[in-house]
Amino acid sequence: SQQGEEDPQALSIQEGENATMNCSYKTSINNLQWYRQNSGRGLVHLILIRSNEREKHSGRLRVTLDTSKKSSSLLITASRAADTASYFCATANQAGTALIFGKGTTLSVSS
Amino acid sequence: DAGVIQSPRHEVTEMGQEVTLRCKPISGHNSLFWYRQTMMRGLELLIYFNNNVPIDDSGMPEDRFSAKMPNASFSTLKIQPSEPRDSAVYFCASRTSGIDTGELFFGEGSRLTVL
Repeated sequence: SQQGEEDPQALSIQEGENATMNCSYKTSINNLQWYRQNSGRGLVHLILIRSNEREKHSGRLRVTLDTSKKSSSLLITASRAADTASYFCATANQAGTALIFGKGTTLSVSS
Repeated sequence: DAGVIQSPRHEVTEMGQEVTLRCKPISGHNSLFWYRQTMMRGLELLIYFNNNVPIDDSGMPEDRFSAKMPNASFSTLKIQPSEPRDSAVYFCASRTSGIDTGELFFGEGSRLTVL
């Protein structure tokens, strides 16, 4: 069963614009992770935010976490065509031993 | 490091045939995971191993699916007999184990088509 659910399912923007993706989850977490998947490729880890953190930055990525609302957001600033990919949030299963992924947000950035 | 290596990258087979997918995790990683990805169901966790021991196989859809990890550098996922609904991309991922669920490293996947 899915732990995290991303919103929106699909997002189309122009180069230079910002892209925001949201993730909601159901149970308490120790951390939440975001991954990117380019078409036909495996998933690549982007960033991990711990439950005691509210915001984290990595380059053009900004992740926020609101544990009271059980939600997270991923912001990509000044998007580029190369950012076109699917983005997934992931949290641990109940045993805390494996990652469960949402269905992802497909981002399309046109030049 | 070469990363997680999966083979074959593509497999087309006929219903009823046996399919074996292979995975070599990153050296030093002692946790290995098999996921299946479809448009309808997204990424599903099938099974994972810790120190070569299967920990949870509750995600394995049916008895037709089996997975082994005979040593720290090799794992297989077998489907016998295969059915058209098994068509999907199968991913292997590995990481170092720990109390917290850390970063997963994925292979490029094996795309299976069962006719």
